[in-house]
Amino acid sequence: SQTIHQWPATLVQPVGSPLSLECTVEGTSNPNLYWYRQAAGRGLQLLFYSVGIGQISSEVPQNLSASRPQDRQFILSSKKLLLSDSGFYLCASRRTEAFFGQGTRLTVV
Amino acid sequence: AQKITQTQPGMFVQEKEAVTLDCTYDTSDPSYGLFWYKQPSSGEMIFLIYQGSYDQQNATEGRYSLNFQKARKSANLVISASQLGDSAMYFCAMRDGSGNTPLVFGKGTRLSVIA
Repeated sequence: SQTIHQWPATLVQPVGSPLSLECTVEGTSNPNLYWYRQAAGRGLQLLFYSVGIGQISSEVPQNLSASRPQDRQFILSSKKLLLSDSGFYLCASRRTEAFFGQGTRLTVV
Repeated sequence: AQKITQTQPGMFVQEKEAVTLDCTYDTSDPSYGLFWYKQPSSGEMIFLIYQGSYDQQNATEGRYSLNFQKARKSANLVISASQLGDSAMYFCAMRDGSGNTPLVFGKGTRLSVIA
């Protein structure tokens, strides 16, 4: 089965600082990869998804970006974080079922 | 467009009893998949069960079963013999026929199991 590695688990960053969250996948090839964000006590909001290397679809216009440099690597980035970027970020990989990483709790201060 | 509705923000159930978490969906695609996930307080999303739109039988996985009523567009999760460890948020999700489309999630139901 798939294993999704996501790090760091928690992150506190000042407003205006850059961001890089990495997600790697084991146990499958050519998965669809996703970044979701979850505000406290809320559902999951799809941010980006990728069906292959270099292919990124953005669902929500914002100051975040995503890249997929390798088949099983998905990176979420920002050049300058905003307070509203705080939340719980989840990476997911899907062939049929979607499996999730452990998540990164980001607090922008 | 896809849409997932979970109308129960919170539910309580007595330990060892069964509980049903509601989920309705809306899609114009005849081929789709339905998923349930459990999110404990740690935040991880745990896959529970999957139902394909063309599956003839309701999906079951241990104490979890999916009550799939296609005509009513509902995909309720049934948890039998509730345990204290079942206390968590539960999310219903759907993807439409294209294998590349992402999962769309409902807003979730918080289940609390009472001893």
